[in-house]
Amino acid sequence: QKEVEQNSGPLSVPEGAIASLNCTYSDRGSQSFFWYRQYSGKSPELIMFIYSNGDKEDGRFTAQLNKASQYVSLLIRDSQPSDSATYLCAVKRIGGNTPLVFGKGTRLSVIA
Amino acid sequence: DGGITQSPKYLFRKEGQNVTLSCEQNLNHDAMYWYRQDPGQGLRLIYYSQIVNDFQKGDIAEGYSVSREKKESFPLTVTSAQKNPTAFYLCASSIDGTWTSSTDTQYFGPGTRLTVL
Repeated sequence: QKEVEQNSGPLSVPEGAIASLNCTYSDRGSQSFFWYRQYSGKSPELIMFIYSNGDKEDGRFTAQLNKASQYVSLLIRDSQPSDSATYLCAVKRIGGNTPLVFGKGTRLSVIA
Repeated sequence: DGGITQSPKYLFRKEGQNVTLSCEQNLNHDAMYWYRQDPGQGLRLIYYSQIVNDFQKGDIAEGYSVSREKKESFPLTVTSAQKNPTAFYLCASSIDGTWTSSTDTQYFGPGTRLTVL
């Protein structure tokens, strides 16, 4: 059973465009949602987290959460070639005695 | 300089040998984790520990063993029983091992790339 699903990509966008990365999850008890960026050969680094419905903005990144639809997304505005990486979605069930559950990631390629 | 360190960065092992991967953190985090990542795949949880002297199996614990004798250290042993050990191994930690905080998350070390020859 896949608990966190992401399109594997690659998602190709031109430089300066908006990249939209999507993630769906199956556990309705999930309460916190995290986006990690992973460059090839490197370890994941945290970009953003969100736990309330709606949008959360941080610089060029916006996380969007819709718990009713069990859907979380990450928008990257003014995409740069340096944004080319794999983006991992992770969810957590608060107090459920389980670690983060990760999706397989979406590979983003920003074309100069 | 706080963070999570993993050593070595690259490791080569002959078939049939056990090998231990090191993971140390000086963040004073309670919880620590081991993941395995194969090319083009997501992260798969091997073992995790919420507190010293306690650990639980993850999704793919067979062929691996861990110990948590100190808060800052969580070494992973890849035994000869692991059928396909070649992979990228990632250690992570988080502040709260009970996961009661909505904002607590996991931070990753740089990883160890293990190759079985």
